[in-house]
Amino acid sequence: ETGVTQSPTHLIKTRGQQVTLRCSSQSGHNTVSWYQQALGQGPQFIFQYYREEENGRGNFPPRFSGLQFPNYSSELNVNALELDDSALYLCASSLSGVGHEQFFGPGTRLTVL
Amino acid sequence: GDSVTQMEGPVTLSEEAFLTINCTYTATGYPSLFWYVQYPGEGLQLLLKATKADDKGSNKGFEATYRKETTSFHLEKGSVQVSDSAVYFCALFNQAGTALIFGKGTTLSVSS
Repeated sequence: ETGVTQSPTHLIKTRGQQVTLRCSSQSGHNTVSWYQQALGQGPQFIFQYYREEENGRGNFPPRFSGLQFPNYSSELNVNALELDDSALYLCASSLSGVGHEQFFGPGTRLTVL
Repeated sequence: GDSVTQMEGPVTLSEEAFLTINCTYTATGYPSLFWYVQYPGEGLQLLLKATKADDKGSNKGFEATYRKETTSFHLEKGSVQVSDSAVYFCALFNQAGTALIFGKGTTLSVSS
């Protein structure tokens, strides 16, 4: 069974640029959630995708957007990067439905200069 | 809104010491509760969970009991090892059951 994978591992961007982060869900999982973890903080929910549609969103501005593909993999896009976007971005996959365990990937470390 | 409060760290212990990390929550209803662990440079791993009041979750010697009366889910281990050094997060599902809400995390450092 393949776990959740994310790419790239690390990324450095400058303020104002755009970035795309990628996630492959665990085999058999059709739901993907994205979290932002700032240094020294707990993860914050960005949004969740199910059946290629956004299925819940946290308190993040519209410049954070996402996609889910038919194979359940997902992308997180961030436009107009700000210094405060520097964080570890975590992807988690799960089965559909309420309250299913979320399995996390290793994350992508984004640094905005 | 729903929230989780954890004791602040770092927690520094000697090997074989007893561990308690406090966690309290505020939520509508009775959400499922979780402890996740994050080892250096890695993502989150589920350590244990409890889905209803008085449930005890346990794994790898760690335990936590869902206390509805005190809205708490404290993590305990009787004898910690150096390999337990990590950051521990208490979490709950939001009311919709879609998003995990995490505490700020507690860093545990165990020395031999």
